[in-house]
Amino acid sequence: QITLKESGPTLVKPTQTLSLTCTFSGFSLSTNGVSVGWIRQPPGKALEWLALIYWDDDKRYSPSLKSRLTITKDTSKNQVDLTMTNMDPVDRGTYFCARSVGSRWMDYWGQGTLVTVSS
Amino acid sequence: QTVVIQEPSVTVSPGGTVTLTCASSAGAVTSGFYPNWFQQKPGQAPRALIYSTSNKHSWTPARFSGSLLGGKAALTLSGVQPEDEADYYCTLYYGGAQVFGGGTKLTVL
Repeated sequence: QITLKESGPTLVKPTQTLSLTCTFSGFSLSTNGVSVGWIRQPPGKALEWLALIYWDDDKRYSPSLKSRLTITKDTSKNQVDLTMTNMDPVDRGTYFCARSVGSRWMDYWGQGTLVTVSS
Repeated sequence: QTVVIQEPSVTVSPGGTVTLTCASSAGAVTSGFYPNWFQQKPGQAPRALIYSTSNKHSWTPARFSGSLLGGKAALTLSGVQPEDEADYYCTLYYGGAQVFGGGTKLTVL
């Protein structure tokens, strides 16, 4: 059974750095072709793809957010971390992590975690 | 930045057939963009439906199908059920990055 779960702060202040962790089970991020990514969704708005890390540690970022994002993995802990710097109220939303295998993008998703940015 | 374009809203009658489309501001969508389709119901995480244009996941109902149509990716629902009312998102692959469309709100009425 494949599961993913996001964790992190529910509230951050403007200009602070957000750190989120995706903890997964049922698959290994050391398996060829596997990747884990992050997606966010402002309340009532569309999904937005953020970043992805592959089994071989290759990393990809949304061009519009690349300067603010860092994605890392700890294969031994089955975790993928995402940091986003200089948080702003417009960054409020639900942050999801999801697994991909090859071109089977985001086949399994976490439940999401709601992040609010406010002073 | 490339924009992925979907119809904002579509209405279909129960039992009917509807096609949702996914276009790219960069030009025609081909299989090389690996179109994926997702369904999202209120308060839930998205659920994957279709990958690489037309491939179904093991849990995808048979009434859902994906294709390329007139330079766009397309998701067709045949024999629409009330429970298909949801938001539908496509993604396209651009050289390592994924881009989501703005989503289509499907109303079954």
